[in-house]
Amino acid sequence: NFMLIQPHSVSESPGKTVTISCTRNSGSIASSFVQWFQQRPGSAPTNLIYEDSQRPSGVPDRFSGSIDRSSNSASLTISGLKTEDEADYYCQSYATNAQVQGVFGGGTKLTVL
Amino acid sequence: QVQLVESGGGMVQPGRSLRLSCAASGFTFTSYGMHWVRQAPGKGLEWVAVISNDGSHKYYADSVKGRFTISRDNSKNTVFLEMNSLRPEDTALFYCARDRGAVVGAIRLEFWGQGALVTVAS
Repeated sequence: NFMLIQPHSVSESPGKTVTISCTRNSGSIASSFVQWFQQRPGSAPTNLIYEDSQRPSGVPDRFSGSIDRSSNSASLTISGLKTEDEADYYCQSYATNAQVQGVFGGGTKLTVL
Repeated sequence: QVQLVESGGGMVQPGRSLRLSCAASGFTFTSYGMHWVRQAPGKGLEWVAVISNDGSHKYYADSVKGRFTISRDNSKNTVFLEMNSLRPEDTALFYCARDRGAVVGAIRLEFWGQGALVTVAS
């Protein structure tokens, strides 16, 4: 199966915009949907983005997702950063060979300082 | 609202078995695929297994294939994970999660439970 590569950590100041990348190391990023999850310390993950760029109801429009075929990557962009956005962020996709298997990126720790 | 409540976690010796349960409520259980995802202490998320809405399709991560079995009881709105031949590296918080759909060719995790801790140690 392929891997999803995320930066280990990113940091930015409150009010700014940050982008977290998720690069697929083999096969096309467009061949299977990408989801994004936020996990605050001690809590279960919550879904921020599904099907590459769709936002579930209740998720603020400060969060947006996209894919870029040229870099074979997905991105999560958070604008107007708040201290409460400090968390771990995971991308997720799936492999569809002989079977369907979920794949997570390694996670990115966002620090809002 | 969607609720997923895991149970059955605990400490077990290497080589032994354990069964996790996940009780679901707040949605039409028979319409959705269900997953197990684990997180080792201080580590990232690892997808473990999925079962389709009607139980006809089951898929596993290579790391657990042949040792873990996912199943569901649609009459009780419950999904299970039977874990055999447990290893210390299976130590993790195991989350139950609902998919966005029935799971036929796509995995789109949506709602998550709070997790059940499994510790494998002698």
